[in-house]
This record gives sequence, C-alpha cells and structure tokens, in this order.
Amino acid sequence: NAGVTQTPKFQVLKTGQSMTLQCAQDMNHEYMSWYRQDPGMGLRLIHYSVGAGITDQGEVPNGYNVSRSTTEDFPLRLLSAAPSQTSVYFCASTIGGGSRYEQYFGPGTRLTVT
Amino acid sequence: AQKITQTQPGMFVQEKEAVTLDCTYDTSDPSYGLFWYKQPSSGEMIFLIYQGSYDQQNATEGRYSLNFQKARKSANLVISASQLGDSAMYFCAMRASYNTDKLIFGTGTRLQVFP
Repeated sequence: NAGVTQTPKFQVLKTGQSMTLQCAQDMNHEYMSWYRQDPGMGLRLIHYSVGAGITDQGEVPNGYNVSRSTTEDFPLRLLSAAPSQTSVYFCASTIGGGSRYEQYFGPGTRLTVT
Repeated sequence: AQKITQTQPGMFVQEKEAVTLDCTYDTSDPSYGLFWYKQPSSGEMIFLIYQGSYDQQNATEGRYSLNFQKARKSANLVISASQLGDSAMYFCAMRASYNTDKLIFGTGTRLQVFP
C-alpha cells in the first residue's frame, strides 16, 4: 500500500512549456484533489474530482487542466507554464463522509518556471 | 464567507511543555469539519486530527487534542509534552460543509521546540 504517489519530485520548466504532474493512489478513494502551496499562503485548491469521469474547479484553476479516467490516477496538466506557477504542488486523496474524514497527501512536486 | 484564520505566524515552546496553536473559522453551514496538518521541513503534509461539527467530544490523537469551541468558532490544536520532532509548520483547515469535499487552509503557524 503506497498511499498517494506523485512524480516528478522536482521539475524546472521554461515559460510556455507544458507538462503533466502525475498523481496516483492505491487506496480506492473516490475523492482526489490538487493543491498548490506558495510561501505564506497555505494550500489552495486547484482542481478536484469526486470520482472517475468527474472533475471540478477549485479556488485557483486557471492555467491547469485535469482528467480522471480511473479511480487511481489524477494527473494535473500545465498548459503553458508561467513564472507565477512556480510552487509546490500536492495531490491528495480522501476517504470519509459526515463526521469522519481523512485526507492523505502525496509528497509534493516542487516546480520552478523560469 | 468561508475562511480559516491562524493569527500566530510563529510559536516557541520548550521541550516537554504543552503548546496551543490557534485557529478560528467562519462558515454558515452547520455541518462542517476541521483539520490540523503538520508539515515538517521535509515538506510532506501529515494529517494529525479531525473534528466534525456535530462531534460531542473534543478529538484527541495521542499527544494532539483539538480544543473545539463552536460558539467562538475556534478549533485550537493542543500539543502536550512537546518534543523536538514537533518543530514544523502546522496548518488548520476546514471542510466548510458536509456537501463538499473541498478544504480551505489557513496560512499556518511555525512551531519551534527548543531543549
């Protein structure tokens, strides 16, 4: 049971390049999400998915796309990288409902856009 | 508005002492959940504790307890018997309604434990 895995751990992109951050979980969780963490701002939700085939926007979705073809995988695509997207990206998967709720984070991807 | 506020950017505590990290929240939904996460210098986010709005008792997990005061809209984290390994950033987060799985995070508190 690997939990939530993310690849790559580090990435440097030039402005305008595109790339996909990978996220996978082996806990059969329906809900998955992507956050970005900028210094002094906590985590902000980019996109989330409540199950295969269903995605929705979070707080800061511009410049990012997601898809959820399987329960296990939830990749995040940067369409045309900008320096403002330099950040640490976390993927999370969640189980629970009502009064019980647990969210597990991947180790993060540190992205630098030059 | 749905919001989480952590007013302490940094806290210091001596080893073996208890420390309270403050968190206040705002939501109009009566069904919500509150979380605390630890982020050590290595960067991973570690789930610590969860409190649902209808839970009658304060949540506890080992040395962590959540001091939930609904009328004051506060959900402070209490760490008892601090250890050097507790030095980290701590984030409070809220699931603003049972109808959503979205989490809203505070800006965090950096805790430093000294010998």
